[in-house]
Amino acid sequence: NAGVTQTPKFQVLKTGQSMTLQCAQDMNHNSMYWYRQDPGMGLRLIYYSASEGTTDKGEVPNGYNVSRLNKREFSLRLESAAPSQTSVYFCASRHGLAGGAEAKNIQYFGAGTRLSVL
Amino acid sequence: GESVGLHLPTLSVQEGDNSIINCAYSNSASDYFIWYKQESGKGPQFIIDIRSNMDKRQGQRVTVLLNKTVKHLSLQIAATQPGDSAVYFCAERSYGKLTFGQGTILTVHP
Repeated sequence: NAGVTQTPKFQVLKTGQSMTLQCAQDMNHNSMYWYRQDPGMGLRLIYYSASEGTTDKGEVPNGYNVSRLNKREFSLRLESAAPSQTSVYFCASRHGLAGGAEAKNIQYFGAGTRLSVL
Repeated sequence: GESVGLHLPTLSVQEGDNSIINCAYSNSASDYFIWYKQESGKGPQFIIDIRSNMDKRQGQRVTVLLNKTVKHLSLQIAATQPGDSAVYFCAERSYGKLTFGQGTILTVHP
């Protein structure tokens, strides 16, 4: 049981390049999330998927797209990378069943992808 | 908008001491709170949570206290160890969304 797995761990891009960050969870969770973490700031939500087949914008969605490929996988795509997107990106998942035990509300995080855009 | 904040950005303690990390929140609609620990180069790791209808919850060496009157949350770590050195985040949930604080850096000196 690996939990939440993110690939790649590190990436350097040039301005204007595109890339997809991959995330997969093996906990049979319904909800998945993408956050970015910048120095001096808390985790900020980019996009989330409450359940398979749905995606919604978070606090900072501009410049990103997401795909909930199946229940396990949730990818984040940068179509045209900008230096402002230099950050550490975290994927998280949560069981998410409404009315379930409180433990099902805990978000579990991956190890992160460190992205630099030059 | 409402946000979660921390009183102290850094905390240094001696090994064996008890640590207290504080968090202020401003959203009275928040119904659930979580503490996470983040070690250098790793993702946030769940420590303990508490619902708004509780004022205290204990885990292994950790206790979370919630004071809704003053909108204050704290994390107490007993007998702090060097392995506890990390950034600690609080997060509040309101209307189903989590909002994270900036974090407190805890440094434990041997």
